[in-house]
Amino acid sequence: KAGVTQTPRYLIKTRGQQVTLSCSPISGHRSVSWYQQTPGQGLQFLFEYFSETQRNKGNFPGRFSGRQFSNSRSEMNVSTLELGDSALYLCASSLELRADTQYFGPGTRLTVL
Amino acid sequence: KQEVTQIPAALSVPEGENLVLNCSFTDSAIYNLQWFRQDPGKGLTSLLLIQSSQREQTSGRLNASLDKSSGRSTLYIAASQPGDSATYLCAVDSNYQLIWGAGTKLIIKP
Repeated sequence: KAGVTQTPRYLIKTRGQQVTLSCSPISGHRSVSWYQQTPGQGLQFLFEYFSETQRNKGNFPGRFSGRQFSNSRSEMNVSTLELGDSALYLCASSLELRADTQYFGPGTRLTVL
Repeated sequence: KQEVTQIPAALSVPEGENLVLNCSFTDSAIYNLQWFRQDPGKGLTSLLLIQSSQREQTSGRLNASLDKSSGRSTLYIAASQPGDSATYLCAVDSNYQLIWGAGTKLIIKP
């Protein structure tokens, strides 16, 4: 069974641009969570989607948004990029909402110049 | 507000030693606590999950304990190997989201 895939793996953008990251969960998994990892703040929860609905959201500004499609694939969008948005963005999938075990993708490394 | 702390931030030990990694949290109202490892350039791998009603979980050479009342968890690694070198993170499920520690970077010297 294929694992969680994230595209692209690396991305370079400039301040003010917007970016869309994609996550394909493990087949059969219906919940997708997104996390941001930076050296200064560590890992922080962004949001969780289940059945195409955002079920929970972390403490991030409205520039960070996401969506989930009927096939459980998810996208995350960051608008008006700031230098501080440079981070590793990780996606995790699980069978159900708030399932015990989450399976992580390799992440997308975003650099904002 | 839930806060998770991991001590030490880094640890280097010779191969074969047993070791303990520590994780503490400020709010005992947790759903579960999880230990992960992160290898450079890769995502996170779930190691052990302890439900709030449990005291410990074991997988191979790994044993994790949970003491909710004191807000502490430990990850015990027996007979360490160079392949155990990685960053170990603990996370607590609190209010429907995972709150993470900063991690312990573990180096096992051959």
